[in-house]
Formats: sequence, C-alpha cells, structure tokens
Amino acid sequence: ETGVTQTPRHLVMGMTNKKSLKCEQHLGHNAMYWYKQSAKKPLELMFVYNFKEQTENNSVPSRFSPECPNSSHLFLHLHTLQPEDSALYLCASSQDLQIYNEQFFGPGTRLTVL
Amino acid sequence: EDKVVQSPLSLVVHEGDTVTLNCSYEVTNFRSLLWYKQEKKAPTFLFMLTSSGIEKKSGRLSSILDKKELFSILNITATQTGDSAIYLCAVEEGTSGSRLTFGEGTQLTVNP
Repeated sequence: ETGVTQTPRHLVMGMTNKKSLKCEQHLGHNAMYWYKQSAKKPLELMFVYNFKEQTENNSVPSRFSPECPNSSHLFLHLHTLQPEDSALYLCASSQDLQIYNEQFFGPGTRLTVL
Repeated sequence: EDKVVQSPLSLVVHEGDTVTLNCSYEVTNFRSLLWYKQEKKAPTFLFMLTSSGIEKKSGRLSSILDKKELFSILNITATQTGDSAIYLCAVEEGTSGSRLTFGEGTQLTVNP
C-alpha cells in the first residue's frame, strides 16, 4: 500500500466520451502530480499542483483538464481524446514541491481510447 | 531541448552477474538526477544525486554522478531475479519550481 490510490485502474473510452481519473493520497502531502507513460516512450510529467495551485503544465493539450479541489485529491478530466492518448496515467505525491526523493506513485490507470 | 538518454534500452543477464546502467543528460539548469525502479506500474525511488563523484549506495545497488561529463551510472552487483524491472533515470531542472525529464528506461531481465 503506497498511500496513493487511483481509480479506475482500467478505462476504455471512445473518442467522444468524457471521463475522469481520480487520485487520492493519504500521506498528508502538499504536492501532487500527473504523469503519462506511453509504450516505448519516456515517462512524461503532465501537471504539478502545490497546495491546490497548478505550478506546471508541460504543454499538455486542452483535452486533458486537471482539477485539484484540495491537497488530498487530484482529478484528470478527459474529453474528446485521441487513440494516441492511450497510455498508463500515473499520479504521484510528495511532501513538498521540490522534494522528489519522497515522491510516491499510485498504481496508475490504464487508459485505452478507441 | 532538455534530453535524458539511457543505455542500454534492454539487458538480459544471469543471476549473479554485475550490471551497469547508463544515463546521460542535457538540461539547462541541472538540480538533481534521480533513479527509479519500475516493476509493475508504480516507479519506486532509488537514489537522488546532486554532487559529482559521491557514490550513493543501498545494498547491492550503487550510483554515481559526473556533472562534468553529464552522466550517471547505476550499478547492481550479484543480480537476482527480483532485480528484473525497468530502471528509469530522471533529471530535475529549474531555478524556480522544478521540472522532471525522464529517460526511456532500461529493461533489465535477470534469468535464474
């Protein structure tokens, strides 16, 4: 148990669907992250939130919309995705924004876009 | 453009062998280099390196950073089947706020 949970663990959606990924951390951390891991590509940092405020957006297309209502919850809203968006989406948290050595990852959501 | 390159991309060894994984990088404002082990889904942290020439060690794993030549190595001695995983290298850069750039990873398979 890593203390970071993600739901759903698997998701299949059509290109016209709207869905949301949820991440919750029970570690009392202040920073949360979304990563994308595609087959045969490096892990990509998508968004960073610190104390509910977005601090990084790595040129992510607007069809991905993050939401951080509080320090414990992070959502990734998906709409009109493309098949190339199929990937493993990992959430992570850390105590503070710049202490990556204490970053804990969730189990990920395997997303398939048809 | 920031870049992190790992080599080899895949490696198959026998139990007991020693392996060396490589990570080279080009980033604008280097802060630290991190190594992760990814077995199933969630990566787990191994080492964080900020200074050149200082070896970090944890059991059979060790890592060192060369900031002049812009690379790091991860050594695993007396490998075991449980070491089979993807090993990810990431570089943290930035002066205010931090950005992580990951390499493609090295897929290590240790056969009995």
